[in-house]
Amino acid sequence: QKEVEQDPGPLSVPEGAIVSLNCTYSNSAFQYFMWYRQYSRKGPELLMYTYSSGNKEDGRFTAQVDKSSKYISLFIRDSQPSDSATYLCAMASQGAQKLVFGQGTRLTINP
Amino acid sequence: EAEVAQSPRYKITEKSQAVAFWCDPISGHATLYWYRQILGQGPELLVQFQDESVVDDSQLPKDRFSAERLKGVDSTLKIQPAELGDSAMYLCASSLARLGEQYFGPGTRLTVT
Repeated sequence: QKEVEQDPGPLSVPEGAIVSLNCTYSNSAFQYFMWYRQYSRKGPELLMYTYSSGNKEDGRFTAQVDKSSKYISLFIRDSQPSDSATYLCAMASQGAQKLVFGQGTRLTINP
Repeated sequence: EAEVAQSPRYKITEKSQAVAFWCDPISGHATLYWYRQILGQGPELLVQFQDESVVDDSQLPKDRFSAERLKGVDSTLKIQPAELGDSAMYLCASSLARLGEQYFGPGTRLTVT
């Protein structure tokens, strides 16, 4: 079993829809949680960075962390075609101090 | 806006040849990372530097891969000899400190024929 599980998709939704992306993990020591967006043939771009549990909002993006369920989510409101990309979750523990990435979910927003 | 620079962007090489990638992190970032990303998967850490010192190279295939960051600024990743299975995107990232926000470069796409 991988430490971080992420549904690879692909996920296709119409423009304006609310998108929900999720990851589950098995390592209870993870405390730092990140979401990256990666366009085709580009490097990942940091979207959200959260520590421990709770919610964080930035514009149309909201990140949620539920440590009790070992589950994190990224919500995209009013989705745009420019949001079409692969979304990667990543997490780290204080001890190991290195990021473990999910497989990535490929998202397409249809105009 | 400061960015991580990588070169070359694309590299095609024959198996058994040597290949090298270069990375220049964001100015002032003490921590530098090299990742390998196989198509359809997430990045996997190969090596992590804190200044000029290696702090994690547990996933680096040391029989053929080497990495250095001699002056604690830019870094080079080398593969010798390259194998077909090394075809992947090689990403460099940097952060101000360990466990800080990591910023990625555009990557080098390597194809081994």
